[in-house]
Amino acid sequence: GQNIDQPTEMTATEGAIVQINCTYQTSGFNGLFWYQQHAGEAPTFLSYNVLDGLEEKGRFSSFLSRSKGYSYLLLKELQMKDSASYLCAVKPRYGGATNKLIFGTGTLLAVQP
Amino acid sequence: KAGVTQTPRYLIKTRGQQVTLSCSPISGHRSVSWYQQTPGQGLQFLFEYFSETQRNKGNFPGRFSGRQFSNSRSEMNVSTLELGDSALYLCASSLADREYEQYFGPGTRLTVT
Repeated sequence: GQNIDQPTEMTATEGAIVQINCTYQTSGFNGLFWYQQHAGEAPTFLSYNVLDGLEEKGRFSSFLSRSKGYSYLLLKELQMKDSASYLCAVKPRYGGATNKLIFGTGTLLAVQP
Repeated sequence: KAGVTQTPRYLIKTRGQQVTLSCSPISGHRSVSWYQQTPGQGLQFLFEYFSETQRNKGNFPGRFSGRQFSNSRSEMNVSTLELGDSALYLCASSLADREYEQYFGPGTRLTVT
């Protein structure tokens, strides 16, 4: 089967650090993605991990452990504008090329002053 | 560079009717994927097109169909609408050689009454 789990909601304080976890079970694996989606807007690409380890991009970092089926998104120096839904998605491995992504239901992050 | 555009942005239909949604990818992008987003299920993959060919299809009934034109624009059609089809329909486009990064359009909000 294919399953992606992430917490439904999280709350954090402005200026702090927050870690959003994601665990997955999919038919094959060809990369893990994180997207940010503000209410009423389109998801925007944040990060992509295909190998184990940490990918850092400014205030955002994403970690992957393929053996554990686990990833996290780390947000540092939180700002009010980071209040959004964070979507974890996995690209399963198929026989041919594909852009199909399997998404978790998203983690709604509320940043408080 | 213009982003992904989707028309219409909002649509209200009655049960039993059919609807056609349109997606224009970013110029030069040849891959278009469609997703349905609902509060309970999150984003679910509908289908994917590349160079006018359907490359992958999700687990949706045959009432959901799509196509892609030679200019990479894509349409999806839903026939015999049901109340449960009320959702945000998102399309995403990507370059053929950087298929890990998908750009989402703002979506079409479909309400079925």
